[in-house]
Amino acid sequence: ILNVEQSPQSLHVQEGDSTNFTCSFPSSNFYALHWYRWETAKSPEALFVMTLNGDEKKKGRISATLNTKEGYSYLYIKGSQPEDSATYLCAFSLMDSNYQLIWGAGTKLIIKP
Amino acid sequence: EAQVTQNPRYLITVTGKKLTVTCSQNMNHEYMSWYRQDPGLGLRQIYYSMNVEVTDKGDVPEGYKVSRKEKRNFPLILESPSPNQTSLYFCASSSYGTGTGGPWDTGELFFGEGSRLTVL
Repeated sequence: ILNVEQSPQSLHVQEGDSTNFTCSFPSSNFYALHWYRWETAKSPEALFVMTLNGDEKKKGRISATLNTKEGYSYLYIKGSQPEDSATYLCAFSLMDSNYQLIWGAGTKLIIKP
Repeated sequence: EAQVTQNPRYLITVTGKKLTVTCSQNMNHEYMSWYRQDPGLGLRQIYYSMNVEVTDKGDVPEGYKVSRKEKRNFPLILESPSPNQTSLYFCASSSYGTGTGGPWDTGELFFGEGSRLTVL
């Protein structure tokens, strides 16, 4: 059974602090790793898609890295702001995926003012 | 505005009463998919569609049906809802990229705002 593990499950961070969390996935037959941001009562929105080992992507204060050989990705948020409060979802797809994504349960981030 | 629209957003119904959740996208996307989200679990795929008249089962298809008669619409049908189908449902769509990875080459899955269904 293919599984995606995200840790921690939830996280409280003081406004202004930086933080990071992890997505672990099976490394064999890997194709792509996705990060999505999901605010309560809204639609999940894509942050990053990464396919290459060692890849690093950045969008404003948020960045992500990818290690396909050991099967993990980190999401970093620098200088957390209240609007960063959301659940961050990761998902991966396989080379022979039949166009399916396998999703983690998410990390719920709460920024304390 | 590019969007995926689901209806209804909230529904309380009773066991056995057939219902349909509609999903429509205005981006001319080939790929559409239905997910359910339950507390503590990742999104689980119910059904997906690669294009018009092409649908396939996801991980949890039991108790659901779909159809794809038009490119923009992908309704989810619960013929005889049961309480274990109480969940938050998301419809999503994506276009195909130019590589070999199907929808994922474009890097973006567009989601609707979700439909919260309660079956009593």
